[in-house]
Amino acid sequence: EDQVTQSPEALRLQEGESSSLNCSYTVSGLRGLFWYRQDPGKGPEFLFTLYSAGEEKEKERLKATLTKKESFLHITAPKPEDSATYLCAVQRRYNTDKLIFGTGTRLQVFP
Amino acid sequence: DVKVTQSSRYLVKRTGEKVFLECVQDMDHENMFWYRQDPGLGLRLIYFSYDVKMKEKGDIPEGYSVSREKKERFSLILESASTNQTSMYLCASSVRQGLTLSYNEQFFGPGTRLTVL
Repeated sequence: EDQVTQSPEALRLQEGESSSLNCSYTVSGLRGLFWYRQDPGKGPEFLFTLYSAGEEKEKERLKATLTKKESFLHITAPKPEDSATYLCAVQRRYNTDKLIFGTGTRLQVFP
Repeated sequence: DVKVTQSSRYLVKRTGEKVFLECVQDMDHENMFWYRQDPGLGLRLIYFSYDVKMKEKGDIPEGYSVSREKKERFSLILESASTNQTSMYLCASSVRQGLTLSYNEQFFGPGTRLTVL
């Protein structure tokens, strides 16, 4: 069965303390892996798409990487405004436009 | 920028009422989606539409119906609201796989927080 698992469920960091969020997946052929940021009470905001193992994407303090079984979202020197829930989703390669979402990692960054 | 709008941010309804949630996108996307999001359960797909008047059931369609009469608009209908339908409802849109060279990221609206009393 296709599945996306994110860890940890929650992460508390001190401002400036770098860390990584994990998204592991099992899917029958990967077309793309997507990262989203979601602030409380709002809709998810698209961050990155990764298409193939070895690919990396960066945006400000965030860097997403992809292997054949998992993706990491690295947060370098986080600031309190990076506090949010980060969602990972995968799309199967064939015959579908649907995404399979993980349950997210809730990140809190304290000053 | 893709813009997906939803008709209400907050909605309070009574059990048994018929509820309409409206979603509009301005990027000429073929696909539109309705999800509900509950703590610990993540985003669950209710219905998906890949073209006008076309729809496909998602993972949890029971108690819901949808309507897509125009490409830019996708409505979610709760025929008789129940308390277990209290949730955050999210609409999304994307291009259709295979129609363009781009990959079809989904873009989300701001969400509707529905409370059924």
